[in-house]
Amino acid sequence: AQSVAQPEDQVNVAEGNPLTVKCTYSVSGNPYLFWYVQYPNRGLQFLLKYITGDNLVKGSYGFEAEFNKSQTSFHLKKPSALVSDSALYFCAVRDDMDSNYQLIWGAGTKLIIKP
Amino acid sequence: ETGVTQTPRHLVMGMTNKKSLKCEQHLGHNAMYWYKQSAKKPLELMFVYNFKEQTENNSVPSRFSPECPNSSHLFLHLHTLQPEDSALYLCASSQEVNRDMNTEAFFGQGTRLTVV
Repeated sequence: AQSVAQPEDQVNVAEGNPLTVKCTYSVSGNPYLFWYVQYPNRGLQFLLKYITGDNLVKGSYGFEAEFNKSQTSFHLKKPSALVSDSALYFCAVRDDMDSNYQLIWGAGTKLIIKP
Repeated sequence: ETGVTQTPRHLVMGMTNKKSLKCEQHLGHNAMYWYKQSAKKPLELMFVYNFKEQTENNSVPSRFSPECPNSSHLFLHLHTLQPEDSALYLCASSQEVNRDMNTEAFFGQGTRLTVV
């Protein structure tokens, strides 16, 4: 069965420091991986995706994510955190063996950037 | 703005009320979705419409009734809800279900529903 795990409910980072939000997945076939961000009182916004090719994917607002097939991970990273990055982050995966094409979601990680 | 608009933004309703949530997208997409978001839980997919046809109903109670009159509009009709139905209800759209493997979905801002 497909699944996504975001092992940390909350991540606290000081402004200017690098940040990492973790995501691991389990699929039967090949994964298509996505990160979304949700700011307070807003819907989800797409950040970046991995489909194929380069394992390091760059996205919006200076975020990037690294696909690691052997560790089945897709961690979200940013070299220097901003207070405005404080939000809820969701990882999601599609399994290319799933004929329903459904997105499987993680529970979300709350990122808090302190000045 | 993502091109997906939901109304109302907030809704408080009693357990005997009937209300409807509305979603509209101007992205030319053919697939629309209703999700339920509860705190510290993964998003729960409720309904999927592809070219106005319902393709997915993930064991959602009948007190939630979707309607998709065209590819741009999606409704969620609510009646006799329970307090545990209080949540953020998100609408999303994408190009079309069967071509969606590598495309992202676009979300509305959600309706914060409180059932009292």
